[in-house]
Amino acid sequence: SAVISQKPSRDICQRGTSLTIQCQVDSQVTMMFWYRQQPGQSLTLIATANQGSEATYESGFVIDKFPISRPNLTFSTLTVSNMSPEDSSIYLCSVYGESGEYEQYFGPGTRLTVT
Amino acid sequence: DQQVKQNSPSLSVQEGRISILNCDYTNSMFDYFLWYKKYPAEGPTFLISISSIKDKNEDGRFTVFLNKSAKHLSLHIVPSQPGDSAVYFCAASAAAGTASKLTFGTGTRLQVTL
Repeated sequence: SAVISQKPSRDICQRGTSLTIQCQVDSQVTMMFWYRQQPGQSLTLIATANQGSEATYESGFVIDKFPISRPNLTFSTLTVSNMSPEDSSIYLCSVYGESGEYEQYFGPGTRLTVT
Repeated sequence: DQQVKQNSPSLSVQEGRISILNCDYTNSMFDYFLWYKKYPAEGPTFLISISSIKDKNEDGRFTVFLNKSAKHLSLHIVPSQPGDSAVYFCAASAAAGTASKLTFGTGTRLQVTL
């Protein structure tokens, strides 16, 4: 499976600021996914990022709040904009496995705390 | 609307015994199911999956059972080991080519005791 890294691993930010999270994959992938796990909750898909096209956002998530870049086949960024304490979560990126089935493989996550 | 439910937030099992983690779903369009394990400060790790055309899939100590009529799946770990202590998530997907999103349950924390 692909090796996925994320930066930063954690951060503490003040409300009203923005944070950009980076996701790097060691192989070229068509689709990358961004998830959020709020405290005590399940993982929720924020958006799907294809290289060369606009990200597709799930219901409840908008581009102004979570802009995504996908400049090439191994890298993506997610920005959490104008943060509030409710944005405190673990943010994870994922990619499909090589089998071509539905398994997704996840990065280690970015733990964000907004004060 | 929680389409994938794990009704047991926690489970404690003795080392060497069987761990059974349960998951229920409501969306009849789901046709592929997965289990993930998550340690603190790490991303979820894929464990095992099952297609809706099967009722059982086995990989070493891990077996997943699917009961489509009951919309229920379970993960059996035999024998349980202390290293299995983690949070386990079930996830489901509806066939949509390569754009299938995963819908996750809320997780069950498994503790394997000595």
